[in-house]
Amino acid sequence: DGGITQSPKYLFRKEGQNVTLSCEQNLNHDAMYWYRQDPGQGLRLIYYSQIVNDFQKGDIAEGYSVSREKKESFPLTVTSAQKNPTAFYLCASASSTRAHEQFFGPGTRLTVL
Amino acid sequence: GDSVTQMEGPVTLSEEAFLTINCTYTATGYPSLFWYVQYPGEGLQLLLKATKADDKGSNKGFEATYRKETTSFHLEKGSVQVSDSAVYFCALFTGTASKLTFGTGTRLQVTL
Repeated sequence: DGGITQSPKYLFRKEGQNVTLSCEQNLNHDAMYWYRQDPGQGLRLIYYSQIVNDFQKGDIAEGYSVSREKKESFPLTVTSAQKNPTAFYLCASASSTRAHEQFFGPGTRLTVL
Repeated sequence: GDSVTQMEGPVTLSEEAFLTINCTYTATGYPSLFWYVQYPGEGLQLLLKATKADDKGSNKGFEATYRKETTSFHLEKGSVQVSDSAVYFCALFTGTASKLTFGTGTRLQVTL
């Protein structure tokens, strides 16, 4: 089955700790995206990558970091510099020729205690 | 910059009622427009799309028409079901920005 997987579904961390969220896709998509979802605010773009070994900041990149060493994988690290990390994080991917049609993973709910 | 405005929810309807969720946009380029749906505890799924003025996107009984003159892309369904309960997001994409811009989402609750 082709698709996007995110793990874990729920994640708890103590304040001040870095945490890495996993995102893997087997759709052979070039482009991958990370969004943050908060109640009443819709989705906001954190980072995106259109090709391996390259990525760009989105609208709310501060306190986050990413890497794109493989086409299939786009992990997101939430650092201790992120002031309000508790949120629902969604990963998406798209083909380079149809970047507007994004396929989303099931999401990871991060709670910082 | 680009932006999308959706009607606030929650929208509560009885089964078989008519649904309209309003969506308007501002964009610097000539956008493609989308509706995504998010069922409880899941990621988003593309519901329908329209890429040019007067196009009508449709899927699963839902429809939306790209209205350039009113910069709108309202979502409609003639008869909703309990299984349609979800959060609906309007979004736009322009080649200039090469990214999707989402509205804040509208929660729909359908009751028996």
